[in-house]
Amino acid sequence: AQSVTQPDIHITVSEGASLELRCNYSYGATPYLFWYVQSPGQGLQLLLKYFSGDTLVQGIKGFEAEFKRSQSSFNLRKPSVHWSDAAEYFCAVGRGQNFVFGPGTRLSVLP
Amino acid sequence: EAGVAQSPRYKIIEKRQSVAFWCNPISGHATLYWYQQILGQGPKLLIQFQNNGVVDDSQLPKDRFSAERLKGVDSTLKIQPAKLEDSAVYLCASSLGPPTGMGGYTFGSGTRLTVV
Repeated sequence: AQSVTQPDIHITVSEGASLELRCNYSYGATPYLFWYVQSPGQGLQLLLKYFSGDTLVQGIKGFEAEFKRSQSSFNLRKPSVHWSDAAEYFCAVGRGQNFVFGPGTRLSVLP
Repeated sequence: EAGVAQSPRYKIIEKRQSVAFWCNPISGHATLYWYQQILGQGPKLLIQFQNNGVVDDSQLPKDRFSAERLKGVDSTLKIQPAKLEDSAVYLCASSLGPPTGMGGYTFGSGTRLTVV
């Protein structure tokens, strides 16, 4: 069965610092991979997705993620964090109708 | 394009009471989903509709939860009777195709339910 692990429950970074959020998955085949962001009181918004091809994908708001098949990972990165990036981040994997979210990583940003 | 609309935004009820949530998806989106998001966890799929038919309700606690999507547009999710562990945010989402398709999901802002 597919599963998603986000090892970091909560991360705090200073504004302007770089960010990396980790995501590991277990899936029978190469899945489609997604990162969503959820601001307080809001629904989830798609940041980026990987289907195939170039393993480094660019998303909205300056985020990028790299798919590493050998490590079953899809880590999210941003070179310089803004205060408005404080939110909950969810990694998700699946194909077709089978789709699973990870438990999320809460990002706090210090001024 | 209008987003996915949900109401109410917040609801507080006592255990054993009943509650209903409403969702209006994006126009033209055939697939509609209800997710339960317990504090500190990722969203968990409760039920998926394709038009007005159920595609997947394997994780829906059918002894107390029910959902319908009349005419393949709006949907309601009901809990009767509610338990303390039902306290969560209930998210509605819609998509043109499968959730892992090019368009992905569009989520509503959710209904936060507190059962006391």
